[in-house]
Amino acid sequence: SQTIHQWPATLVQPVGSPLSLECTVEGTSNPNLYWYRQAAGRGLQLLFYSVGIGQISSEVPQNLSASRPQDRQFILSSKKLLLSDSGFYLCAWSGQGSSYNSPLHFGNGTRLTVT
Amino acid sequence: AQSVTQPDIHITVSEGASLELRCNYSYGATPYLFWYVQSPGQGLQLLLKYFSGDTLVQGIKGFEAEFKRSQSSFNLRKPSVHWSDAAEYFCAVGRSNDYKLSFGAGTTVTVRA
Repeated sequence: SQTIHQWPATLVQPVGSPLSLECTVEGTSNPNLYWYRQAAGRGLQLLFYSVGIGQISSEVPQNLSASRPQDRQFILSSKKLLLSDSGFYLCAWSGQGSSYNSPLHFGNGTRLTVT
Repeated sequence: AQSVTQPDIHITVSEGASLELRCNYSYGATPYLFWYVQSPGQGLQLLLKYFSGDTLVQGIKGFEAEFKRSQSSFNLRKPSVHWSDAAEYFCAVGRSNDYKLSFGAGTTVTVRA
């Protein structure tokens, strides 16, 4: 069966420090991969998605970036964190194809607090 | 672009009572609709999905949802809630030529004894 791992579970970082969040998927090949951010009371905001190695689409301009160095690995990064980067970050995967025939499967999330 | 509205931010319901969560979408063509549930501090779990066919969809944990094209709605229901149903619920819409889902802002459900 497929599983998705996301770490760390919680992270407290000072403003201006770098960030690296990692997500890996097991049990499937060529998944679509996604990074979402969830701010309190504001639902889920899609940050990045990837349909293949090295292919990254950005949904919102910000100081975050994403990379997909391997088929089942998705990394969210920042060179310098801002206070506004605090939130709950969720990684998700879906099978190849569009959203209608392959629902999203989410990791357990990373709670990031920027101080 | 498609969008999703969940009019209720927070709903409190007694254990054993029925529950209905509202979801309205905006999309020109036939949408693909989903309901997800999120327990505190966890990721989201798919409850059910609608692609086509029967407009009443059954999901896990005793939930069902009904697609009403005339009202652009996809409301989630459960006849009798359990304390374990306390969570945040998200409605989402997708389209056939897109990899992405648009999520509503969520509805938090509190279950009182």
